Amino acid sequence: DAGVIQSPRHEVTEMGQEVTLRCKPISGHNSLFWYRQTMMRGLELLIYFNNNVPIDDSGMPEDRFSAKMPNASFSTLKIQPSEPRDSAVYFCASSLPTSGRTDTQYFGPGTRLTVL
Amino acid sequence: KQEVTQIPAALSVPEGENLVLNCSFTDSAIYNLQWFRQDPGKGLTSLLLIQSSQREQTSGRLNASLDKSSGRSTLYIAASQPGDSATYLCAVETGTASKLTFGTGTRLQVTL
Repeated sequence: DAGVIQSPRHEVTEMGQEVTLRCKPISGHNSLFWYRQTMMRGLELLIYFNNNVPIDDSGMPEDRFSAKMPNASFSTLKIQPSEPRDSAVYFCASSLPTSGRTDTQYFGPGTRLTVL
Repeated sequence: KQEVTQIPAALSVPEGENLVLNCSFTDSAIYNLQWFRQDPGKGLTSLLLIQSSQREQTSGRLNASLDKSSGRSTLYIAASQPGDSATYLCAVETGTASKLTFGTGTRLQVTL
């Protein structure tokens, strides 16, 4: 398997613009996670899907952020409008939980977002 | 709220040394603990996962231990190599299923 695929790898945009990050999880995995990593706050979970349904979005910072998972092989994280403080590396991860508990999460290479 | 702390924040050792990385967490009611490795500009790679009922896990030169009652885990790396240079993060799963809380990481450099 190619692993978790994220696109784009780098994104530079101006404040106020809409940004869409994309993720393709590992085939067969039914859990998908979006994380944000910054120097100040480390790695934070934004939202978690199970079987394409959002289970926990308590980490989504504000209404400017939204995430969708229309099918088992694709998810998007959208920021509209973007702000400079959204600059970070955004990771997508997937896993196949067993017995309702998490299993090893496999991370994508991340999207480095810079908002000017 | 679960908080995860890793000490030290950075560590430099000469090649061949054995070393220990530390992770502590405030809420001992965890389901499992994972150790990850992150190379610069890359995503995270899972190294070891310890279920709450387990005391340790081993993979090659890596050994992770878990003392749930005291809220501590250690990652032991034997005979370190320059290729081990990376940031190591621990993460615990508590509360809501599959939700991981990460530590801030230990940046390891193994010198020749």
